[in-house]
Parts: sequence; C-alpha cells; structure tokens
Amino acid sequence: DQQVKQNSPSLSVQEGRISILNCDYTNSMFDYFLWYKKYPAEGPTFLISISSIKDKNEDGRFTVFLNKSAKHLSLHIVPSQPGDSAVYFCAASPNYGGATNKLIFGTGTLLAVQP
Amino acid sequence: GAGVSQTPSNKVTEKGKYVELRCDPISGHTALYWYRQSLGQGPEFLIYFQGTGAADDSGLPNDRFFAVRPEGSVSTLKIQRTERGDSAVYLCASSQNGGSETQYFGPGTRLLVL
Repeated sequence: DQQVKQNSPSLSVQEGRISILNCDYTNSMFDYFLWYKKYPAEGPTFLISISSIKDKNEDGRFTVFLNKSAKHLSLHIVPSQPGDSAVYFCAASPNYGGATNKLIFGTGTLLAVQP
Repeated sequence: GAGVSQTPSNKVTEKGKYVELRCDPISGHTALYWYRQSLGQGPEFLIYFQGTGAADDSGLPNDRFFAVRPEGSVSTLKIQRTERGDSAVYLCASSQNGGSETQYFGPGTRLLVL
C-alpha cells in the first residue's frame, strides 16, 4: 500500500519555465512533509519542508503548497534551471502521539530541465 | 561542518555472507535512521535510533537484519546470510533530536549480493 504517491515518473521543462511536481498521500496522520532532491550516486538532499498547519512555504525559487483536504502537495520551481535536473522525492512523516520519526517516501519524479 | 558519512561506498558480496555497513552521523545529532532504496523506488524506512536505543525497528524486513549504535554516535547495520534480494542502496540519515525535523542523508552504501 503506497501511502505517498508521485504519479509522474518524469517531467521535462524548458529552462526559465516553471516546474510543478505533484505528490498525493493517503494517511491523514501525516503532519510534516518534505521534498528531497537526488542526483545519481548521491544521497537525497533536503530541499524544502512544510508543516500540516501551513498551506504554503517558500524558499527562493522553491515553493511547496499543501492542500490537506485533497491530501495533495506540490513543489513549484521557478525559474527552472538545468542544474535542477534530478530525481525529486516527496516524503511524509506521521505523527503518532508526537513521536514522529520515520519518513515515508514516494517513488520519485525525474525532472529534466532543457537548456 | 561534515555531513553524514557512510562506509563502504560500495560492497559486493556473495549470497550467504555477512556484511556490516557503517554510518557516521552529523556531530551532535541524537537521531539516526537507516533506509533502503531499491531500484526505481523511494527510500524505505528500516530503523530509527534515539541516542543508543532503537526507538523504532518496525522497518527491518526480517531477523537477518540488525543495527547497533552503542555510543549514540556511529551506527552499524548488520546483515546476516545475505540474499540477492538484499541488493540495494542503504542510506543513513540523522537529525538533531528526532521528531518533526529535517533528516540529512549520507551518500549511501551500494550493496550487491551475487
């Protein structure tokens, strides 16, 4: 049972345009969400996070939107740059009585930014 | 400051052998996590340490897998009687205190069981 889903395995955008990566989740106990970026042969690198009490968090070119009623979050990258080309993982953390710990990851979306 | 480091970066072993994978977390981080990533999948949780104790080992697939963190810093993931299905990238992450915090990942150990 995939609790965190990234239904688009890949996405291609032109440099300078907006990249929108989507993520859906099924568990209403998730209260913290993160996006990680991964280059080949490297570990995931933290990009941006959002708590369930917010609906938007922005950090430079990266913005994460959370729609709790739809159990959906998205990552917007604008403007996209060739160096953004990587696999992007959405992750969620469940809150079981305040002792959150493990992250549950989606299967990733490969973003290719074309020069 | 130094990030999370993992050794070895690559490990090739034969079916039935024993392997140990090491993780050095970020200095001062009390929480340490092990994940496993198979080809085409996202990382899957294995075990979480808070200090020296395993606070959640619900992700360990079976009793061939064991992890320790005796002094609350370095951790070792141990796999006995390896099987071909154990081939994956084993990722370690650490965070300041656990809970709703960012986890910082190491580069992983790529394990190949022949």
